[in-house]
Amino acid sequence: DTAVSQTPKYLVTQMGNDKSIKCEQNLGHDTMYWYKQDSKKFLKIMFSYNNKELIINETVPNRFSPKSPDKAHLNLHINSLELGDSAVYFCASSQVGRGADTQYFGPGTRLTVL
Amino acid sequence: AQSVSQHNHHVILSEAASLELGCNYSYGGTVNLFWYVQYPGQHLQLLLKYFSGDPLVKGIKGFEAEFIKSKFSFNLRKPSVQWSDTAEYFCAVNARGNNRKLIWGLGTSLAVNP
Repeated sequence: DTAVSQTPKYLVTQMGNDKSIKCEQNLGHDTMYWYKQDSKKFLKIMFSYNNKELIINETVPNRFSPKSPDKAHLNLHINSLELGDSAVYFCASSQVGRGADTQYFGPGTRLTVL
Repeated sequence: AQSVSQHNHHVILSEAASLELGCNYSYGGTVNLFWYVQYPGQHLQLLLKYFSGDPLVKGIKGFEAEFIKSKFSFNLRKPSVQWSDTAEYFCAVNARGNNRKLIWGLGTSLAVNP
């Protein structure tokens, strides 16, 4: 009964390709997030959706496009992949107004661009 | 702008040693404070959090943290570390009223030698 799940866990692809990462949460939370963690472990928020509405959109290349079909899912599509996109991408979810909005993280997707 | 500073980037301890990891934040208003842990190859897990009440917070696995408002600090402590505590530790803050966006420290890498 995984709370926040992501697929795939590993993704190896060539430069220039388009790929998607999927995220699902079964916690009943209303807010979901995408983070990028680089090789130095630095965590950077990319996007956040609340009830399918984009509420945080940090300075991210427009090759990255999130999509939230419903509040339990937040997918990340990346066009024209570049070497610098190699990182671990974490999905997270939280419920606004509950328990200081603790964020719960998925297992991560390790993306390697060759 | 809000920021979180973790003073120790790399810490190496022997088993049974005591641990204290520093975390300071800059924000003038009311905050919620978190410590997350990331074991090697795994996702982030919540260790403990503070949002109101007793400033000494106890978390999982024997960890605790103390919120000192006058010092804008939320240091993490454990009296006796184990080899299994080897991990990355992240301090994070969000501002009351803007609970969706967590501001993260750069992390502290802890290595515990058996």
